[in-house]
Amino acid sequence: QVQLQESGPGLVKPSETLSLTCTVSGGSISSYFWSFIRQPPGKGLEWIGYSYYTVTTNYNPSLKSRVTISIDTSKNQFSLKLSSLTAADTAVYYCARVRSGTTGYMDVWGKGTTVIVSS
Amino acid sequence: QSVLTQPPSVSGAPGQRVTISCTGSSSNIGAGYDVHWYQQLPGTAPKLLIYGNTNRPSGVPDRFSGSKSGTSASLAITGLQTEDESDYYCHSYDSSLSGSVFGGGTKLTVL
Repeated sequence: QVQLQESGPGLVKPSETLSLTCTVSGGSISSYFWSFIRQPPGKGLEWIGYSYYTVTTNYNPSLKSRVTISIDTSKNQFSLKLSSLTAADTAVYYCARVRSGTTGYMDVWGKGTTVIVSS
Repeated sequence: QSVLTQPPSVSGAPGQRVTISCTGSSSNIGAGYDVHWYQQLPGTAPKLLIYGNTNRPSGVPDRFSGSKSGTSASLAITGLQTEDESDYYCHSYDSSLSGSVFGGGTKLTVL
């Protein structure tokens, strides 16, 4: 049974870069798309982007200039970097496995990690 | 403003049937892209409920069903139970944005 676990700092300062890692256990990171989604307090889900191996990535246009998602197959991990943080980036960040390609669905989710942007 | 539009809330009594709509456009649902649904219980991560418009993952009760027509999709829940009280999100692909889009979410209250 594949499980995902997010890890990263709970608190980051404005203008800094957020780095989150999602560790995949119980299965291989190869042959799937992997995605990050976030949820601001009291609000809905927002897709951040996805990566497939290290070759294919796609990002939400509203975040594209600040986002990088990468995959480390040797560690069975994938990572999110989000730069130039503001308070609007405060959210619970989830990682998820994507089935059936870029138009597919997220069948396995991590429990989420809360990120607060504050000085 | 979400690309996919859902009602903010719906409610029903135990045992009743409720439906949650998800309205899109010609660049997402209307373009033929699949719709998926997730259930998010309070304080937990979303859980896949319906994929590919009508398919239930193993373990999801058949009280939950999905449908799609034109630029809209619907999630139906029959035989409402108190444990169904949750937030529900629809999800699809949008060709204009070249990425995934979610509905704004619907809070289901079981009266």
